[in-house]
Amino acid sequence: EPEVTQTPSHQVTQMGQEVILRCVPISNHLYFYWYRQILGQKVEFLVSFYNNEISEKSEIFDDQFSVERPDGSNFTLKIRSTKLEDSAMYFCASSHGGSSNQPQHFGDGTRLSIL
Amino acid sequence: EDKVVQSPLSLVVHEGDTVTLNCSYEVTNFRSLLWYKQEKKAPTFLFMLTSSGIEKKSGRLSSILDKKELSSILNITATQTGDSAIYLCAPSNFGNEKLTFGTGTRLTIIP
Repeated sequence: EPEVTQTPSHQVTQMGQEVILRCVPISNHLYFYWYRQILGQKVEFLVSFYNNEISEKSEIFDDQFSVERPDGSNFTLKIRSTKLEDSAMYFCASSHGGSSNQPQHFGDGTRLSIL
Repeated sequence: EDKVVQSPLSLVVHEGDTVTLNCSYEVTNFRSLLWYKQEKKAPTFLFMLTSSGIEKKSGRLSSILDKKELSSILNITATQTGDSAIYLCAPSNFGNEKLTFGTGTRLTIIP
């Protein structure tokens, strides 16, 4: 069964550094998402992306965050200048979306640790 | 602001028992209600419910949506230790399709 893949599985970065989290969504999906889960807390929506642009973003997704689909397969989340509170598990998800109303499927996540 | 409340927060039962997990929601432009199972890493998809009153089943798991009461339940019969996980409910919106997750119910099955 096709799946969403994320790399790396664990990223350790110094505060203030830039980090890029990578995702390969399921190949025929059209909608892409990033969520995060701070340890012990609920999964929170960050951003949705469709047709090469952001369709919605949450309050968490400030100017330090950006997303990109640089080619036909990858979907990336960049954090420009990381803060301690960015430490979390980041999940990528994808779905057919639109009128087909299919569920979102999640990758295994990248655990981001900011020192 | 969209809101999702799950209950109970935590549940410990013996293997073979039946459990019912609850989810209530308040979201704008509601489209569907999804249930996910989260073990160590990614939430894995269980059910998507769009129509009220129609039960969906997968093996020992079943779920139903009540759009009038803005709620859903997830039932697990004849529980097994492999059912131990956090069960998440998440309504989706029309348009951007974002999911709003509840805090989840942590289910522990004792052998």
